[in-house]
Amino acid sequence: QSALTQPPSASGSPGQSVTISCTGTSSDVGGYNYVSWYQQHPGKAPKLMIYEVSKRPSGVPDRFSGSKSGNTASLTVSGLQAEDEADYYCSSYAGSTPYVFGTGTKVTVL
Amino acid sequence: EVQLVESGGGLVQPGRSLRLSCAASGFTFDDYAMHWVRQAPGKGLEWVSGISWNSGSIGYADSVKGRFTISRDNAKNSLYLQMNSLRAEDTALYYCAKGNSGSYLFGAFDIWGQGTMVTVSS
Repeated sequence: QSALTQPPSASGSPGQSVTISCTGTSSDVGGYNYVSWYQQHPGKAPKLMIYEVSKRPSGVPDRFSGSKSGNTASLTVSGLQAEDEADYYCSSYAGSTPYVFGTGTKVTVL
Repeated sequence: EVQLVESGGGLVQPGRSLRLSCAASGFTFDDYAMHWVRQAPGKGLEWVSGISWNSGSIGYADSVKGRFTISRDNAKNSLYLQMNSLRAEDTALYYCAKGNSGSYLFGAFDIWGQGTMVTVSS
């Protein structure tokens, strides 16, 4: 099972929006509504930001939103803030594997 | 406070074994699936293994199948990973992660520990 494809980097100015894509196949992203997104600051453990494509855990700001179309899921961060600068990873249920992560995207706040 | 604390990592020679532990607190441990996820230095995340709330269902990544064994002791609120026949490519920070349901399938990882480092080298 190959890793899901994410752009290596994304950036935006404070207050702007940034969208990160996560492309898989019909065997993972496209086949299940179990896509999740994780934020990881340097030297820290990952933090769940979105689960089941678009649900936000308690305590995650509503600036973070998720969606999916076909084999591609997306995470949008609106109203970018300095503390949003981090690495972001998507993950999808993938049947027999059963979880596959994305390659990761480094978000820079300009 | 919900917390996961891993231990047991270290430097080990190729072919040897190591057992990781994860102590859970702050939630009803036996209601939830648990997972191990690893991250090689400077690399991305890789799911390693998961176990359902009652140990009835277990799964492994192909890269560790036959070498690693996951287990849990609900009486001790603890998760374990027995790693045998270790290889250089197993070198990584190993995270314990709580699933958001009782099944290890169809879930997300909603609480993470700080990780324990495993280095496989001669």
